[in-house]
Amino acid sequence: AQKVTQAQTEISVVEKEDVTLDCVYETRDTTYYLFWYKQPPSGELVFLIRRNSFDEQNEISGRYSWNFQKSTSSFNFTITASQVVDSAVYFCALSEGYTGANSKLTFGKGITLSVRP
Amino acid sequence: EPEVTQTPSHQVTQMGQEVILRCVPISNHLYFYWYRQILGQKVEFLVSFYNNEISEKSEIFDDQFSVERPDGSNFTLKIRSTKLEDSAMYFCASSEGTSGQNIQYFGAGTRLSVL
Repeated sequence: AQKVTQAQTEISVVEKEDVTLDCVYETRDTTYYLFWYKQPPSGELVFLIRRNSFDEQNEISGRYSWNFQKSTSSFNFTITASQVVDSAVYFCALSEGYTGANSKLTFGKGITLSVRP
Repeated sequence: EPEVTQTPSHQVTQMGQEVILRCVPISNHLYFYWYRQILGQKVEFLVSFYNNEISEKSEIFDDQFSVERPDGSNFTLKIRSTKLEDSAMYFCASSEGTSGQNIQYFGAGTRLSVL
């Protein structure tokens, strides 16, 4: 069965600090997708990034970067030079299987990030 | 930018009543989903829908729940006899359905309060 663990529950940083959000996943499938979503105080879920199991290349997109390591089943997400607007709950999620392209997302419990001015 | 829209934003109902939550997925998307989030907890999958039938459902999605795509644009979640524990935020999502593409885009949610 698939499982996503976000061991951090709350993180508080001062603006302009870098912050890394940890995610560890479990799956028996060799094909799967990993995601990060953001839930700001307004409540909606906003897609941030997606990675498939065949692509371990780590990338940077603006202030966001991610570190995908299959050897440790981790998919960590870093925000560089954090801003107050980054304050939100961040969810890591996993989908798997032969229909992995469109199968259900399994979410972690989320990490509440507070960025103080 | 296309988006998933959900109505109403907040629904208050009495225990035992039926509720219908409505969603308009992104127009060219083929897969539709419902998730729920009990206050302060993680987002949980309820059901996925493709080609006018349920493709996958969770243990939560029991006989009191049903989904329907009544026309070419709406996607609804019906709860037949609401219970107190059904109080949650319900999210609708949709994805393109093309091979290898699975970015599920979510609506802003409907907060259901069962009294």
